Amino acid sequence: AQSVTQLDSQVPVFEEAPVELRCNYSSSVSVYLFWYVQYPNQGLQLLLKYLSGSTLVKGINGFEAEFNKSQTSFHLRKPSVHISDTAEYFCAVCDIRGSQGNLIFGKGTKLSVKP
Amino acid sequence: GAVVSQHPSRVICKSGTSVKIECRSLDFQATTMFWYRQFPKQSLMLMATSNEGSKATYEQGVEKDKFLINHASLTLSTLTVTSAHPEDSSFYICSARAARMEAFFGQGTRLTVV
Repeated sequence: AQSVTQLDSQVPVFEEAPVELRCNYSSSVSVYLFWYVQYPNQGLQLLLKYLSGSTLVKGINGFEAEFNKSQTSFHLRKPSVHISDTAEYFCAVCDIRGSQGNLIFGKGTKLSVKP
Repeated sequence: GAVVSQHPSRVICKSGTSVKIECRSLDFQATTMFWYRQFPKQSLMLMATSNEGSKATYEQGVEKDKFLINHASLTLSTLTVTSAHPEDSSFYICSARAARMEAFFGQGTRLTVV
């Protein structure tokens, strides 16, 4: 069974500062990895995904993440955050062999960007 | 990306009544749809997986008689919360995917049972 651990439940940061949101996963099989953003009372929006190929993945809104197989991590980074990045961020995994493709989510990290 | 529409976005109902939430894939045929539940300040928990034309597969601990899921067509799945109680108040989110596609999420439905 897969699981996802987001080590930080809340991350406060000042505007224009860099940020890293951590995500570790456990799985006995190869997985796909995702980061989603959720704004208050809204659904999820895909930020980026790793399926295969280059381990550095670039997504929307200036975010990027690096897949590290040896450390089973998929940390999300942004070099300079904006107030509008304030939201909840979820890391998720999907069994690469699973025909259903259901996602297992971490508990989320609330990013608060202060002026 | 593909569009998944979830309706209604908010609903308030009386205890004991039933509520139906719709999830539609607008520009693709969704062979599989997922229903999640999100408690305040918590992650999304998968409730059930449904494939078009077959019975939904429920996760452990989810009452299938309380949360009725119907996936009647390749573009529509419905979740009916039967005999709703205040503890059913939550944020419900659907996602849909076609074969070899990533899943796309609806906007979510905030259910409040009073």
